Amino acid sequence: ETGVTQSPTHLIKTRGQQVTLRCSSQSGHNTVSWYQQALGQGPQFIFQYYREEENGRGNFPPRFSGLQFPNYSSELNVNALELDDSALYLCASSMAGGSNQPQHFGDGTRLSIL
Amino acid sequence: GESVGLHLPTLSVQEGDNSIINCAYSNSASDYFIWYKQESGKGPQFIIDIRSNMDKRQGQRVTVLLNKTVKHLSLQIAATQPGDSAVYFCAENAGGTSYGKLTFGQGTILTVHP
Repeated sequence: ETGVTQSPTHLIKTRGQQVTLRCSSQSGHNTVSWYQQALGQGPQFIFQYYREEENGRGNFPPRFSGLQFPNYSSELNVNALELDDSALYLCASSMAGGSNQPQHFGDGTRLSIL
Repeated sequence: GESVGLHLPTLSVQEGDNSIINCAYSNSASDYFIWYKQESGKGPQFIIDIRSNMDKRQGQRVTVLLNKTVKHLSLQIAATQPGDSAVYFCAENAGGTSYGKLTFGQGTILTVHP
């Protein structure tokens, strides 16, 4: 069974740039959620994708957007990067689009904004 | 609002002791709870989950207790080992329109001394 994989592992960008992060879900999982984890804090929910549509969104501005593909993989796009966007970005996959299902995480992409 | 918090930010134990990590949650609508372990440089690793219709659930060396009356969750680790050293997060899901959104606490750092 293949777990959740994310790429790249590390990325450095400058303010104002755009970034795309990628995630492959665990085999058998059709739902992908994205989280932002600042240093020393717990992950914060960005949004979830199910059946290629956004299925819930946290308190993040529209410059955070995503996609889910027919093979259930997903992308997180962030436009107009700000210094505060520096964080670990985590992807988690689960079965079904609803709640009450364990989400399994990848090891994240460490994004640094200069 | 929704929040999940931890009473103790750090916990130090001797190898072989039992560990108890506590978590308080504020959203009475939460109906699903998960404990995660996060090691340095890794994503959160699923440990155990519990639904609100249960008070206790056991896994291998771990037990989760849920007290809905006082909105309290705990993780018990039996015979703690040095490999258990990590940050532990509790997370809740409020179901309904929250879909797969997990709300995480700040985390407890567990250090196991040999």
